[in-house]
Amino acid sequence: DARVTQTPRHKVTEMGQEVTMRCQPILGHNTVFWYRQTMMQGLELLAYFRNRAPLDDSGMPKDRFSAEMPDATLATLKIQPSEPRDSAVYFCASGVYHPRWVTGELFFGEGSRLTVL
Amino acid sequence: QKEVEQNSGPLSVPEGAIASLNCTYSDRGSQSFFWYRQYSGKSPELIMFIYSNGDKEDGRFTAQLNKASQYVSLLIRDSQPSDSATYLCAVNFNSGNTPLVFGKGTRLSVIA
Repeated sequence: DARVTQTPRHKVTEMGQEVTMRCQPILGHNTVFWYRQTMMQGLELLAYFRNRAPLDDSGMPKDRFSAEMPDATLATLKIQPSEPRDSAVYFCASGVYHPRWVTGELFFGEGSRLTVL
Repeated sequence: QKEVEQNSGPLSVPEGAIASLNCTYSDRGSQSFFWYRQYSGKSPELIMFIYSNGDKEDGRFTAQLNKASQYVSLLIRDSQPSDSATYLCAVNFNSGNTPLVFGKGTRLSVIA
């Protein structure tokens, strides 16, 4: 049963600490997204990769967030230093893009719930 | 700014009734439209997508698209308590080459 795997599921940390979230996309999916969900803002796109290349990270605060995809089976989102306003659920999602057809189905991981005290 | 607007709800309907969820979007050139369901504490899952004007039916679900009015809706017939969830409308603004933009979701409560 193919699925997107995210770790950790829950993280409580103190302000100023580094947080790293990891994602294993579905094998064969060429596009990986990081979204953040809060009650106020809903689902916001932070960054995404296609064939491991970063395409857009304009949704991330550049001074503290970084996203990488060191290989096809691993995407990471790092926050350093973390702040209370970063408290949210962070979702990784993967999908397939092909230039000849319109796709849009994203498969979401279960999310990483981050609380920064 | 690409925007997707939804009424946050909650929308309460009795069991067996039709639930109607609505969504508007900002870009007339948008290509494809998606409805995701998200149960409390869970991740979003796709339930329907639609590309062409008109209706698309899948079981108890019907998606309706009106590109001229920049409006997409989801109808759930014979609503069940298990349909209680937040429904997220998502729009692909540029023929698949850009990420989906999500609305903030409408919370649906089906009362038994």
